Amino acid sequence: KAGVTQTPRYLIKTRGQQVTLSCSPISGHRSVSWYQQTPGQGLQFLFEYFSETQRNKGNFPGRFSGRQFSNSRSEMNVSTLELGDSALYLCASSPLTGASGNTIYFGEGSWLTVV
Amino acid sequence: GNSVTQMEGPVTLSEEAFLTINCTYTATGYPSLFWYVQYPGEGLQLLLKATKADDKGSNKGFEATYRKETTSFHLEKGSVQVSDSAVYFCALSKGGGSNYKLTFGKGTLLTVNP
Repeated sequence: KAGVTQTPRYLIKTRGQQVTLSCSPISGHRSVSWYQQTPGQGLQFLFEYFSETQRNKGNFPGRFSGRQFSNSRSEMNVSTLELGDSALYLCASSPLTGASGNTIYFGEGSWLTVV
Repeated sequence: GNSVTQMEGPVTLSEEAFLTINCTYTATGYPSLFWYVQYPGEGLQLLLKATKADDKGSNKGFEATYRKETTSFHLEKGSVQVSDSAVYFCALSKGGGSNYKLTFGKGTLLTVNP
């Protein structure tokens, strides 16, 4: 069974640009969430989607947005990039049912560098 | 709100030494507790979990017991290997509407020397 897949793995953007990151959850998982990891702030929750609806949102500015498609795949977008947005962005999925219903599985992440 | 406090380290041990990484949490109700491990340049891997008080999670020689009375979930391993060198994160998720949001500790860097 394939794990959580994120693309691209590495990217470099210029300040002011926007970026879109993609995530394919584990087959059958309907919940997809996103986290930002930086050396200073650690791991911070961005948002969580289920059935194409955002159910939870972390404390990030409106420049950070996301969406989920009917096949559970998800994208997140960051507009007007700032240097401080340089981070590892992690996507995670959860089955929501069964004994491991509340377990969250992570992808390898997308490394974003803003210059 | 929910929070996780873990020993920040870094922790440096010799191979075959005993490992303890302390983790305590603050949350109402009965959260689920997790340990994740991150190897250099990689994402997070679930190491073990416990979903109710007195549960013991275990995997790859690592263990942690959910202690409601001390709100703790300390990670232990009896004999570490060089391959265990990584960053370890303690995390919790609450039930209900926020069940699918993890709150993480700051991570503990473990280095195991041969």
